[in-house]
Amino acid sequence: ETGVTQSPTHLIKTRGQQVTLRCSSQSGHNTVSWYQQALGQGPQFIFQYYREEENGRGNFPPRFSGLQFPNYSSELNVNALELDDSALYLCASSGGGRSYEQYFGPGTRLTVT
Amino acid sequence: DQQVKQNSPSLSVQEGRISILNCDYTNSMFDYFLWYKKYPAEGPTFLISISSIKDKNEDGRFTVFLNKSAKHLSLHIVPSQPGDSAVYFCAASSPNSGYALNFGKGTSLLVTP
Repeated sequence: ETGVTQSPTHLIKTRGQQVTLRCSSQSGHNTVSWYQQALGQGPQFIFQYYREEENGRGNFPPRFSGLQFPNYSSELNVNALELDDSALYLCASSGGGRSYEQYFGPGTRLTVT
Repeated sequence: DQQVKQNSPSLSVQEGRISILNCDYTNSMFDYFLWYKKYPAEGPTFLISISSIKDKNEDGRFTVFLNKSAKHLSLHIVPSQPGDSAVYFCAASSPNSGYALNFGKGTSLLVTP
């Protein structure tokens, strides 16, 4: 069974730039959720994708957008990067009979300078 | 506002003793509660979950207790081992919001030999 994978591991961007983060879900899972974890905080829900459609969104502005592909992998796009976007971005997948259990990838550490 | 709270930022326990991590929540719509363990530079690892229709769930050394009337849950680790040293996050979700996870800020557990 393949777990959740994310790429890249680390990324450094400049304020105002755009970034795309990628996630492959665990085999058998059809739902992907994205979270942002700032230093010293718990992860905050950004949005969720189910069957290629956005299925819920947290308190994040529209410059945070996403996609889910037919193979259930997903992308998180952030436009017009701000310094406060510096964080660990986590992808989690879920599905099957225990949809409430989410399994996380290792995360992408984004630094905005 | 923080719907899930972990009021103890840190906890230190001797090896072999019991570790008790606490979590409080405010939203009575939450149906599922989960505990995750996180090492630095890794994504959260799922430990154990409990549904709101139960008051206890056990998996090996880990037991989660839920007190719905007090909106309180706790994670017991018995016996504690040095490898348990990590940050533990409590999370809660509801099917009404697609099981999006609401996390506490975490408790850092240190198990000393």
